[in-house]
Amino acid sequence: GAGVSQSPRYKVAKRGQDVALRCDPISGHVSLFWYQQALGQGPEFLTYFQNEAQLDKSGLPSDRFFAERPEGSVSTLKIQRTQQEDSAVYLCASSLGTGDMGTEAFFGQGTRLTVV
Amino acid sequence: ILNVEQSPQSLHVQEGDSTNFTCSFPSSNFYALHWYRWETAKSPEALFVMTLNGDEKKKGRISATLNTKEGYSYLYIKGSQPEDSATYLCASAGNMLTFGGGTRLMVKP
Repeated sequence: GAGVSQSPRYKVAKRGQDVALRCDPISGHVSLFWYQQALGQGPEFLTYFQNEAQLDKSGLPSDRFFAERPEGSVSTLKIQRTQQEDSAVYLCASSLGTGDMGTEAFFGQGTRLTVV
Repeated sequence: ILNVEQSPQSLHVQEGDSTNFTCSFPSSNFYALHWYRWETAKSPEALFVMTLNGDEKKKGRISATLNTKEGYSYLYIKGSQPEDSATYLCASAGNMLTFGGGTRLMVKP
């Protein structure tokens, strides 16, 4: 496809369940970002990949959160033992550039995770 | 300023009104300032990427200015239309984008 694709669009998980969120970036984009957006707030940074290398994971809120991008294209954000506070929209973005972010980012539509 | 801050949080205007909102960001180690429009149920879309102090960019009825020395950017919408209703996000760029909380604009017909 031409844009960033995320799946699933919506996910309802029971508390304690593991979930996996997928992001297909634009082909050829080097940088990939994950953000978490809680209701009524702006997106909060989770983690950043440059190709397959995870250069920054400082935003991951706990060790229950894990992200990978093994071949430098598709990325998966995994949340283990989900808690209610994990309920949010998870946004993925990709960018052609590296590091400096002088080029625009292209976002997917997000995955809305609801933990019940 | 340590974080990226946007004001106001929300704004209601009548169709035809002109409006503006503010983004404040750390002026040290500045690289670029991004503006995005995020409509409900859609992906955020880039409006502007600005890098130079004093820069002014325009796209149709929307324009933005940048002051990197004092760490602020203004977004202006002239003659607001209902289709302008969205959340407007700014982000300061470095190795990643650091977003403000957004300004939610609602334009009443």
